[in-house]
Amino acid sequence: DTAVSQTPKYLVTQMGNDKSIKCEQNLGHDTMYWYKQDSKKFLKIMFSYNNKELIINETVPNRFSPKSPDKAHLNLHINSLELGDSAVYFCASSAHPGQKTFGQGTRLTVV
Amino acid sequence: SQQGEEDPQALSIQEGENATMNCSYKTSINNLQWYRQNSGRGLVHLILIRSNEREKHSGRLRVTLDTSKKSSSLLITASRAADTASYFCATDEGGSQGNLIFGKGTKLSVKP
Repeated sequence: DTAVSQTPKYLVTQMGNDKSIKCEQNLGHDTMYWYKQDSKKFLKIMFSYNNKELIINETVPNRFSPKSPDKAHLNLHINSLELGDSAVYFCASSAHPGQKTFGQGTRLTVV
Repeated sequence: SQQGEEDPQALSIQEGENATMNCSYKTSINNLQWYRQNSGRGLVHLILIRSNEREKHSGRLRVTLDTSKKSSSLLITASRAADTASYFCATDEGGSQGNLIFGKGTKLSVKP
């Protein structure tokens, strides 16, 4: 009965590969998010999305793209992975602006 | 751009002591939230305080907000070893999406 679940939990891949991280929430929330946490533990918003609007942080490279097949899912696709993409990626959801429920994170290591 | 700045960056105390963490921010906000992150885990929401509130309690947690100084504090009373984690403040600047902007966090270590 996990509220926000991400898969995989760990992902090790080579530079140049394309990979996806999946996120699902069973809370009925309208808005979902992707955050990136770097090695210094700094969390930064990448995307926020509901069925009306996608907001992209302008600092996010266009190699990153969110895909939402339905309201309960927001997957993150990353093309041409680079070493600097190594980080922990967190999915989150909320019913409205305010409290967010986070997934457990996906630790991506690019080698 | 980074919004919240936690202070101190790291805090080490003995079990039973109180832990106080501070957060400063730069722009006007709708609310401020505190999250906890255990090592290698996701973030857990602790408490939300709205911009028109000055203090809020939840169990052993006490949060204050001073909008004139653009600062907040999180007090954990009677700390336990299980409180060992990183604590982040996050501000919600409003807007339709309600994005949170996080600070760098305070790493709290509670020694038994």
